[in-house]
Amino acid sequence: GAVVSQHPSWVICKSGTSVKIECRSLDFQATTMFWYRQFPKQSLMLMATSNEGSKATYEQGVEKDKFLINHASLTLSTLTVTSAHPEDSSFYICSASPSDRAVSYEQYFGPGTRLTVT
Amino acid sequence: AQKITQTQPGMFVQEKEAVTLDCTYDTSDQSYGLFWYKQPSSGEMIFLIYQGSYDEQNATEGRYSLNFQKARKSANLVISASQLGDSAMYFCAMRQPRVTGNQFYFGTGTSLTVIP
Repeated sequence: GAVVSQHPSWVICKSGTSVKIECRSLDFQATTMFWYRQFPKQSLMLMATSNEGSKATYEQGVEKDKFLINHASLTLSTLTVTSAHPEDSSFYICSASPSDRAVSYEQYFGPGTRLTVT
Repeated sequence: AQKITQTQPGMFVQEKEAVTLDCTYDTSDQSYGLFWYKQPSSGEMIFLIYQGSYDEQNATEGRYSLNFQKARKSANLVISASQLGDSAMYFCAMRQPRVTGNQFYFGTGTSLTVIP
């Protein structure tokens, strides 16, 4: 149980285009999903916290208009990188916290999406 | 200020030996959670172990145990009987509750290599 999927697993796009990444909790409902970014050989950096039915909470320094997050249902959150540039190339990882846990400390990670902007 | 500090960028351990990966954290909250994750070269983050700030006993999960020293704000991961498959990056993380939901912070990671 507690499987999180991401689609696509990797994507190459041209500079100036937009890319949408999907994060799905397959066998549980997730009120909260998180989006992280990871550069090679570095740690995960939390970009934003996404709550179902409300606006995402972005971390300091993360551009809201560039990284659009939508959490339309309890099993799906999407991250759209708008007008992508080469510096947006990175490994994007989502995670989801189950809604039905009394102590919602758990988060289950997706396999990640590798974005390359040319 | 760095919330999670992992001072060992790389570690080596002989197969079947035990190894300790260090983690210290910084918080003034009373309620928080500490995690360890494993990230193999494939990229997925694998949950290993959790310790709540109010838990009096050290958490254990199979070959993993968390040496929780609250006064020193340390949460070291101990892997016993290392296996070749344990070679990976290991991240220490902390959860802090916020009005808007839980906040997670990750350390910079430790690369563990198990030597046959």
